[in-house]
Amino acid sequence: NAGVMQNPRHLVRRRGQEARLRCSPMKGHSHVYWYRQLPEEGLKFMVYLQKENIIDESGMPKERFSAEFPKEGPSILRIQQVVRGDSAAYFCASSPPVEAQQYFGPGTRLTVT
Amino acid sequence: GEDVEQSLFLSVREGDSSVINCTYTDSSSTYLYWYKQEPGAGLQLLTYIFSNMDMKQDQRLTVLLNKKDKHLSLRIADTQTGDSAIYFCAGESGAGSYQLTFGKGTKLSVIP
Repeated sequence: NAGVMQNPRHLVRRRGQEARLRCSPMKGHSHVYWYRQLPEEGLKFMVYLQKENIIDESGMPKERFSAEFPKEGPSILRIQQVVRGDSAAYFCASSPPVEAQQYFGPGTRLTVT
Repeated sequence: GEDVEQSLFLSVREGDSSVINCTYTDSSSTYLYWYKQEPGAGLQLLTYIFSNMDMKQDQRLTVLLNKKDKHLSLRIADTQTGDSAIYFCAGESGAGSYQLTFGKGTKLSVIP
């Protein structure tokens, strides 16, 4: 059973470009969570999604950030017009419907130059 | 909301026991978690404890929970060089909440 997959593992973008981060949950998991880790910090919750639904986006910045989890395919975290402060590691986690434990992917390290 | 605090560094000799400590503020968490992060890698769920337990043992790992003091610890017996990593304590932001709140992590260095 493959774990949570994220790609790309490393992403470099210039200021003003768009970043698209992908997450494929573990098999049988229908809940996806995105977290951001700034250097020397713990992870901060961003958004919780189920298939075709955003359940809680209270941790998402109000502008430039969006997330989706379509019926088919991976969950996508999209950052428009990136700025240097967006440089961080972005982790996706998944869980099955009736279990609280979240299993994390390897993360995407975004660098904005 | 939940706030989680950990000491930032711990250094132990190979073969000794490591104890990583964590304090939290929200006593309504249903579960409390320990995750391990190796350099450049994601977070590995190491173990977790249900809030009505005060101890859980899993091979070399022992988790102790003191709800009165809101203190959680992770003991690693017979620490090995492969245990060198950052260890994160995490709690739920409210009972049964899916929002995990993480500490900043404790960097464990194991000296051969």
